[in-house]
Amino acid sequence: GAVVSQHPSWVICKSGTSVKIECRSLDFQATTMFWYRQFPKQSLMLMATSNEGSKATYEQGVEKDKFLINHASLTLSTLTVTSAHPEDSSFYICSARDNFRTSSYEQYFGPGTRLTVT
Amino acid sequence: GEDVEQSLFLSVREGDSSVINCTYTDSSSTYLYWYKQEPGAGLQLLTYIFSNMDMKQDQRLTVLLNKKDKHLSLRIADTQTGDSAIYFCAESPMIYNQGGKLIFGQGTELSVKP
Repeated sequence: GAVVSQHPSWVICKSGTSVKIECRSLDFQATTMFWYRQFPKQSLMLMATSNEGSKATYEQGVEKDKFLINHASLTLSTLTVTSAHPEDSSFYICSARDNFRTSSYEQYFGPGTRLTVT
Repeated sequence: GEDVEQSLFLSVREGDSSVINCTYTDSSSTYLYWYKQEPGAGLQLLTYIFSNMDMKQDQRLTVLLNKKDKHLSLRIADTQTGDSAIYFCAESPMIYNQGGKLIFGQGTELSVKP
């Protein structure tokens, strides 16, 4: 149980275009989902916390107009990178928290999406 | 502030024990975690320890927590080549408990040589 999927797993797009990444909790309901960015050989940097039915909370330095997050249902959150540039190339990872469990200490991570902007 | 520090590399021989160390700054953290990341993949939760515990053992994994020194370690017994990966330490400061925010270390790349 507690599986999180991401789609696509790998995407190449041209500079100036937008790309949408989906994060789904497959067998549980996730009120809260998190979006991370990871550069090669570096740690995960939290970009934003996504709560179902409300606006996402962005970390300092993350442009909310560039990284649009939508969490329209309890099993789906999307991250749209708008007007992508080569410096947006990175590994994007989502995680989901099962808020309906009383001991919800765990975050379940997706397999990540590799974005390359040419 | 919140900060989690790890050494970047560790190399061991197959069959030896590996010890990965981590220091953290926020003493309010309720849970401390160890995650494993294989190349090109997401994170897999290996184990966690609650802040009122000193030690936790789970098969080949032993977690030691020294709250006074804010030091966390992960020991992998009988390390195998399949254990080669990046290991992340993470803390969950109490202020973020309701939201679940995690603060990650830089990751330790474990290389297991046959």
